[in-house]
Amino acid sequence: RKEVEQDPGPFNVPEGATVAFNCTYSNSASQSFFWYRQDCRKEPKLLMSVYSSGNEDGRFTAQLNRASQYISLLIRDSKLSDSATYLCVVPYNNNDMRFGAGTRLTVKP
Amino acid sequence: NAGVTQTPKFRVLKTGQSMTLLCAQDMNHEYMYWYRQDPGMGLRLIHYSVGEGTTAKGEVPDGYNVSRLKKQNFLLGLESAAPSQTSVYFCASTAGTEPLGPSQYFGPGTRLLVL
Repeated sequence: RKEVEQDPGPFNVPEGATVAFNCTYSNSASQSFFWYRQDCRKEPKLLMSVYSSGNEDGRFTAQLNRASQYISLLIRDSKLSDSATYLCVVPYNNNDMRFGAGTRLTVKP
Repeated sequence: NAGVTQTPKFRVLKTGQSMTLLCAQDMNHEYMYWYRQDPGMGLRLIHYSVGEGTTAKGEVPDGYNVSRLKKQNFLLGLESAAPSQTSVYFCASTAGTEPLGPSQYFGPGTRLLVL
C-alpha cells in the first residue's frame, strides 16, 4: 500500500457543483494532515490543515476518519478559480512530509 | 519580503555534468527542504535541514548532496547528473516544529532537464 494515495482524477465539474476528493494514508501514527493546492507549473500552497475530526474554511471542508485512515476534501459551490491539482500531505515525522500524487480538478463554465 | 526563492528557474544539463541549485528564504525559518516532483507522483523529499550547519537525508537522497552554511540558504548539488534526475525541484521552508506538524512555504521551482 502506498503511504499516501489519492484518486488522480481528473474531476470535471460545472461551476456551482459540489465535489469531494479522498486520500488514504498508511501511517496510523500521523496526527495532522494537510491539503495543498497546486496550479499548473506552480508551487504547492497550503489550503487547509486537519488536526482533529475536521476543519471548515468557507466553501472548503476537510474531514478526517482515523479509523479508516482517510481524509477528504469537500468543495462546495465550485468556482472556475478552483481548477487546480489538490495534494494530500501526511507527516511521517515532523520533517518528513509524504505527498500524494494529487487529484486534478477542472471546473467548467 | 520575497519568501522562498530558487535559482535557476530552468536548466538543461548533459549527462555527467554537475550543478548547484540555490534556495534562499528571508523569513528566518529554521527548517528547509528539497523535493523533486515527477509526473504522476507526489513530491518526494530529497534532503532537509533543521538548522544552519545540519542536513539529513530524506526519502530519495541518492545522487544529491546538500549544504546549509547559512541559515537563509540551502544548496542542492548534483555531482554527476543523470537523465533520471530530470524533474522539477522545489525548495520549502518552515519556521520549525509546530505542535501539530509544519506547514511549508514553497519556492517557485527549478525545472531541470538532463540529456
